[in-house]
Amino acid sequence: AQSVSQHNHHVILSEAASLELGCNYSYGGTVNLFWYVQYPGQHLQLLLKYFSGDPLVKGIKGFEAEFIKSKFSFNLRKPSVQWSDTAEYFCAVHSGGGADGLTFGKGTHLIIQP
Amino acid sequence: KAGVTQTPRYLIKTRGQQVTLSCSPISGHRSVSWYQQTPGQGLQFLFEYFSETQRNKGNFPGRFSGRQFSNSRSEMNVSTLELGDSALYLCASGAGGTYNEQFFGPGTRLTVL
Repeated sequence: AQSVSQHNHHVILSEAASLELGCNYSYGGTVNLFWYVQYPGQHLQLLLKYFSGDPLVKGIKGFEAEFIKSKFSFNLRKPSVQWSDTAEYFCAVHSGGGADGLTFGKGTHLIIQP
Repeated sequence: KAGVTQTPRYLIKTRGQQVTLSCSPISGHRSVSWYQQTPGQGLQFLFEYFSETQRNKGNFPGRFSGRQFSNSRSEMNVSTLELGDSALYLCASGAGGTYNEQFFGPGTRLTVL
């Protein structure tokens, strides 16, 4: 079965610091990759997605992620975080071609200190 | 376009009871998926419906069931509730294509006493 690992469960950064959240998955075939964000009191929102093509994908709010197939990784990055980025971040994988649901990582709780 | 709506938003039940949750997908979306979110297990896939047919099911007991109507609205039912069923139940809708991009609703918070 597919599994997704997010290495950091809690991350605390100061404003303007750079961010990188790790995500690794186990499936060796074709995958669709997603990062979702859940702001306090709000529902899950899609940050960015990778289906095919350029492995460096850009999402909303200045976030980007890089797909490295050889490392089974899809790390999320942002060069300069803001206080409003405080949220829970989830990496998710869908095995391409199948009708399975998304497999989510356990999430990373990011706190940005002003 | 209106987003995914879920009703009710909060629910309190006692052990042994059953519960039905409802989800209305984004207009035009034919795929509806359900997920359970708990602090310990995170987000786990329950099942997916597409055009009134269950396409796939996660690793949950048979007490968890669902259905989808011709207008794509979906219901999820949990019978014989257990304390461990307390969770946030999320519904997600999608266009249902190969890429399976999904849009999530606000969830129904179920508390089992």
